[in-house]
Amino acid sequence: DIQMTQSPSSLSASIGDRVTITCRASQKITNYLNWYQQKLGKAPELLIYGSTTLQSGVPSRFSGSGSGTDFTLTISSLQPEDFATYYCQQSYGIPNTFGQGTRLEIK
Amino acid sequence: QVQLVESGGGLVKPGGSLRLSCEASGFIFGDYYMSWIRQAPGKGLECVSDISGSRNVIEYADSVKGRFTISRDNAKNSLFLEMNSLRAEDTAVYYCARGRPHSSGIRDLWGQGTLVTVSS
Repeated sequence: DIQMTQSPSSLSASIGDRVTITCRASQKITNYLNWYQQKLGKAPELLIYGSTTLQSGVPSRFSGSGSGTDFTLTISSLQPEDFATYYCQQSYGIPNTFGQGTRLEIK
Repeated sequence: QVQLVESGGGLVKPGGSLRLSCEASGFIFGDYYMSWIRQAPGKGLECVSDISGSRNVIEYADSVKGRFTISRDNAKNSLFLEMNSLRAEDTAVYYCARGRPHSSGIRDLWGQGTLVTVSS
């Protein structure tokens, strides 16, 4: 199975901060990398797919980059509703696998 | 309204069985891959099983192979997960999720989840 490793595991930031979360795959996955946001007690929601494409309705302060094995999710200016846990997921190999999550907390 | 609604979770003893259901609405169910994805308490996400729209492609995680069976009824817009020989480590919230056409690994719609607790 392809292993996905996110860093950091948790992060404290303030409203208006620029935040970057990284995700590394254990083998090359081209751009088959997706990002999800999960708020406490809720189901995950798709943010970005294909490494860089914003899902419809997702604010433009979210962006994704990367290819091969290294990927990033960036939030350009944190808003109160962005405090959540973020997961990367590869859809290159079967089974699809997720990173362990990055919990974004208010400083 | 485009949505997925799971049901069937509950408390079951180790070795027991449970059947989860997921009812879809607001889209052409048969056109989409569907998945069951679970999340143990305080843990991350694990893909449990996938099924193609035509049911000709079915995948299982190694952790559930031989114990769980995924199925679907496109006429009733419903997805199912039959779970047998349940273990404590199967305790989790189980989500059904929709895979985008031609990119089934991108889950663009999730249900609210149903909790399965395996305990004596």
